[in-house]
Amino acid sequence: AQKVTQAQTEISVVEKEDVTLDCVYETRDTTYYLFWYKQPPSGELVFLIRRNSFDEQNEISGRYSWNFQKSTSSFNFTITASQVVDSAVYFCALSEARGDYKLSFGAGTTVTVRA
Amino acid sequence: DGGITQSPKYLFRKEGQNVTLSCEQNLNHDAMYWYRQDPGQGLRLIYYSQIVNDFQKGDIAEGYSVSREKKESFPLTVTSAQKNPTAFYLCASSMDSEAIQYFGAGTRLSVL
Repeated sequence: AQKVTQAQTEISVVEKEDVTLDCVYETRDTTYYLFWYKQPPSGELVFLIRRNSFDEQNEISGRYSWNFQKSTSSFNFTITASQVVDSAVYFCALSEARGDYKLSFGAGTTVTVRA
Repeated sequence: DGGITQSPKYLFRKEGQNVTLSCEQNLNHDAMYWYRQDPGQGLRLIYYSQIVNDFQKGDIAEGYSVSREKKESFPLTVTSAQKNPTAFYLCASSMDSEAIQYFGAGTRLSVL
């Protein structure tokens, strides 16, 4: 069975601070995908990134960066120089890399960025 | 504009009533999914479909039903057997080869 744990329920920061969201996962699959989604107050989930299990390179996209460590089964997400528009719920998710690609979601971390 | 359209945005159900949530996509995606989101929880999979006229139960299918008669449409019916239907429902679709799911704006269902 697949399981995703986001231990941080809520994080509150002041604008321009960095914030790191933790994600730990469990799977018996040897190949899998990891994802991060953003859910702003409007409710729609916005896709941010997909990472293959065989690619452990870290990735940076603007103010967003992701740190994938297979040895510790973690896929952490950092927002650098946070802005008020970053306020949202962020979900980490996991799927097999074959078949039906069903997603298993973590419970989400609510990020509040104060001006 | 390509995307996933869910309607209605808000829906109210009376005791013993079945209600149907609409999900339409014009992305030519093969697979479609329905999720339920409760406050403070992650998304849980209700049903999914990878091809027309075929669908599979997810983790919490009891009290729900679906159909997939057209590639672009995947309606979800919340039946009277679902005793706790109040939640936010999200529909998603994906290309099989990509495995990335894209989501609609959701339907918020409440019980009167």
